[in-house]
Amino acid sequence: AQSVTQPDIHITVSEGASLELRCNYSYGATPYLFWYVQSPGQGLQLLLKYFSGDTLVQGIKGFEAEFKRSQSSFNLRKPSVHWSDAAEYFCAVGYSGGYQKVTFGTGTKLQVIP
Amino acid sequence: NAGVTQTPKFQVLKTGQSMTLQCAQDMNHEYMSWYRQDPGMGLRLIHYSVGAGITDQGEVPNGYNVSRSTTEDFPLRLLSAAPSQTSVYFCATKPRRHQETQYFGPGTRLLVL
Repeated sequence: AQSVTQPDIHITVSEGASLELRCNYSYGATPYLFWYVQSPGQGLQLLLKYFSGDTLVQGIKGFEAEFKRSQSSFNLRKPSVHWSDAAEYFCAVGYSGGYQKVTFGTGTKLQVIP
Repeated sequence: NAGVTQTPKFQVLKTGQSMTLQCAQDMNHEYMSWYRQDPGMGLRLIHYSVGAGITDQGEVPNGYNVSRSTTEDFPLRLLSAAPSQTSVYFCATKPRRHQETQYFGPGTRLLVL
């Protein structure tokens, strides 16, 4: 069965600092990978996704993620964090044909300090 | 184009009461689903539908019923609410069953006393 691990429950960074949120997945074949962001009291918004091809994926709001098959990872990065990036971030994994089986990680809550 | 709408935004129930959480979409999406979000557990799939008249169970279906009589609506019913169903519920849709990108509604926060 597929699974997703986000090892960091909570991360605090200073505004302007770089950010990396970790995501590890477990799945036998090539997965579909996603990062979503959830602002307080809101639904989830898709930041970026990886289906195939270039392993470095660009998303909205200046985020990017890199798929590393050898490490089963799909870490999210941003070179310079803004206060408005404070939110909860979810990594998710799905697979071709398994349209009902998108598994979400438990989330990483990002705090940004001035 | 309203996207995915959910009503109510917040509801308080007593144990044993029933209620229906509404989800509607105006994007003509084939696939609709319900998730619950609990602290430290991420999102878990309750039920999903791949088209009108077709529904199936997800990861945590017990205590919930669904039906899909139209493309636009996918209500989630709690027949006898329990405190364990206190959660935030999200409806999500996608255009086709084999497309993976989902669009989420704003959520319904449910408290069962």
